[in-house]
Amino acid sequence: DTAVSQTPKYLVTQMGNDKSIKCEQNLGHDTMYWYKQDSKKFLKIMFSYNNKELIINETVPNRFSPKSPDKAHLNLHINSLELGDSAVYFCASSQQDYQETQYFGPGTRLLVL
Amino acid sequence: AQKITQTQPGMFVQEKEAVTLDCTYDTSDPSYGLFWYKQPSSGEMIFLIYQGSYDQQNATEGRYSLNFQKARKSANLVISASQLGDSAMYFCAMRDSSYNTDKLIFGTGTRLQVFP
Repeated sequence: DTAVSQTPKYLVTQMGNDKSIKCEQNLGHDTMYWYKQDSKKFLKIMFSYNNKELIINETVPNRFSPKSPDKAHLNLHINSLELGDSAVYFCASSQQDYQETQYFGPGTRLLVL
Repeated sequence: AQKITQTQPGMFVQEKEAVTLDCTYDTSDPSYGLFWYKQPSSGEMIFLIYQGSYDQQNATEGRYSLNFQKARKSANLVISASQLGDSAMYFCAMRDSSYNTDKLIFGTGTRLQVFP
């Protein structure tokens, strides 16, 4: 009965590779997000989708491409991985209202070697 | 521009004591929500408490309460009767009502350590 799930939990890969992170929510929310947490623990929005429509693309390199096949899924594909992409990536979901809580997935720890 | 400021990088508190984690915010939107999240060493983000900009009363959730002072733009988290399991990073975050910029803005976090 996990609310927001992400796979994989850990991802170790070489520079230049392409990888994907999957996210699913079973809360019936209409908005999903990707956040990046850097090595200093700072969390920043990358993308948000509302009903499969891209709402926010927050100056993220083109190598990052989100895809939302339906309201319950938001995947993140990363091309040509770089050392600086190493971080924890969190998926979150919410109803589209400022009073609504965003619920986070467990995070995916990406390490690029 | 929206901004969240947490000025305490680290805090120590003895078990069973109360502790206040500071958070100030800046926004020009009259409608906004303020959230606190806990991130233990295991890494997940756990929602703790919410305060809406129009709420007249301070929010409370068990041992957590939010000291909301709108005129001062502060939303401090108070944890009463600290427990060892409260040791974690705590993040203050804000969400405003703009559809096109719907996101959480986070502060830099405060690392709380509870000692016996």
